[in-house]
Amino acid sequence: DAGVTQSPTHLIKTRGQQVTLRCSPKSGHDTVSWYQQALGQGPQFIFQYYEEEERQRGNFPDRFSGHQFPNYSSELNVNALLLGDSALYLCASSLIGNEKLFFGSGTQLSVL
Amino acid sequence: DAKTTQPTSMDCAEGRAANLPCNHSTISGNEYVYWYRQIHSQGPQYIIHGLKNNETNEMASLIITEDRKSSTLILPHATLRDTAVYYCIVRGTGANNLFFGTGTRLTVIP
Repeated sequence: DAGVTQSPTHLIKTRGQQVTLRCSPKSGHDTVSWYQQALGQGPQFIFQYYEEEERQRGNFPDRFSGHQFPNYSSELNVNALLLGDSALYLCASSLIGNEKLFFGSGTQLSVL
Repeated sequence: DAKTTQPTSMDCAEGRAANLPCNHSTISGNEYVYWYRQIHSQGPQYIIHGLKNNETNEMASLIITEDRKSSTLILPHATLRDTAVYYCIVRGTGANNLFFGTGTRLTVIP
């Protein structure tokens, strides 16, 4: 049983570019959440998707957007990249009503 | 969600019990205490959670004080692979997000 998978594992972009990160949830899960983790900090909640809709959003600007597909996989898009967007981006999946989150290993994004 | 306070770092000898404290003095009645850990270069991993009773699973035990203002995560026999950052999180029922602080960096020493 595959866990949460994220791609790519590493990515280098330049300021102003756009990036798309992908996440496949654990089998049987229907909810996907995205977190940003800066170096030395704990993960910060970006948003959560369920039934292809954004359910809740953290304190992130509109440059951060997402999507969930009918197969429950998800994408995180970041436009107009800033140096401060350099971080580990984590995807977590869960089953609605079950509080336990399963995390992927993340995508390390570097913005130069 | 209530905020938590944890020590920045702790050491534990291999084979001994690791006791990681967490203060959550503003916790409300419907909020659970969750513990996750993050091993270097991996995503966080769920360990255990509880409301007011002590809980035990194959990974750890969670002891919550009677007034629920603090808790302790116990790893009964720490191994080198338990070296990680441990996060104590308080979360309300139905809340969609986890608020991670900076956690406790546990180092298990051979």
